[in-house]
Amino acid sequence: AQKITQTQPGMFVQEKEAVTLDCTYDTSDQSYGLFWYKQPSSGEMIFLIYQGSYDEQNATEGRYSLNFQKARKSANLVISASQLGDSAMYFCAMREGYTGTASKLTFGTGTRLQVML
Amino acid sequence: DAGVIQSPRHEVTEMGQEVTLRCKPISGHDYLFWYRQTMMRGLELLIYFNNNVPIDDSGMPEDRFSAKMPNASFSTLKIQPSEPRDSAVYFCASRYREYGYTFGSGTRLTVV
Repeated sequence: AQKITQTQPGMFVQEKEAVTLDCTYDTSDQSYGLFWYKQPSSGEMIFLIYQGSYDEQNATEGRYSLNFQKARKSANLVISASQLGDSAMYFCAMREGYTGTASKLTFGTGTRLQVML
Repeated sequence: DAGVIQSPRHEVTEMGQEVTLRCKPISGHDYLFWYRQTMMRGLELLIYFNNNVPIDDSGMPEDRFSAKMPNASFSTLKIQPSEPRDSAVYFCASRYREYGYTFGSGTRLTVV
C-alpha cells in the first residue's frame, strides 16, 4: 500500500485565489510527522510546512496552512492568495515514528500546480 | 548557514565510468540522507546515516552503488560502473530534530 497518496497530478488556480492540494497517508504509528515541500522548475526541494501527529492545531506558515484531519488520515496543503511564483511541483511526505530507523521521509508522487493570470 | 551543499550540480559521464557525488551536510545535523528522483519512480530513499553510521541501505539499487560518510561534514555516493538507467537527480538531505530536514540543490546525473 502507498504510504503517501497525492491523487491530483496537476492543478490550476487563478492568481490571488486559494488552492488546496490533497494528501492522504497510511501509517499504524501513533507518532509521525507530515511535511510539504515545493519543487520549482529550478529543481531544489524547499520545505514549506510541518505537522506533528500530536499537534492539535493546524500548522500555518505565512500563506501556507496544513489542514490536518487525523481520523481521515489526510494532510492537505492550503495555499492562500496564490502567486505566479507558486507554480511548482508540491510533494507531501511523512516521517513515521520519532527516531532511530524511523527517521526517513517517504514522499508522494507530487502535484504540479500552475497559477494563471 | 550555507545549507546542504552538493557537488557537482551537473554530471555527464559515459556508461561504464565511475561517478562520485559529494555532500556537505549542515553543521550539527546528525542524520544524512541520499535520495534519487526520476520521472518513473519519483523520490526514493537510497541510504541514510546517523552520526556517520549507515542505518538503512535497503534502497541502494545494486552493488554498483556505495555510500560513505567518513566524518560529520562529508558524504559521498559512488556509482561504479555507471549505466544509462542511473540517470536521475540525486539529492542529499540532512536533519536536525524530527522536523528539520533540509535538502541540497541536487546533482543532475546523465549517463550516456
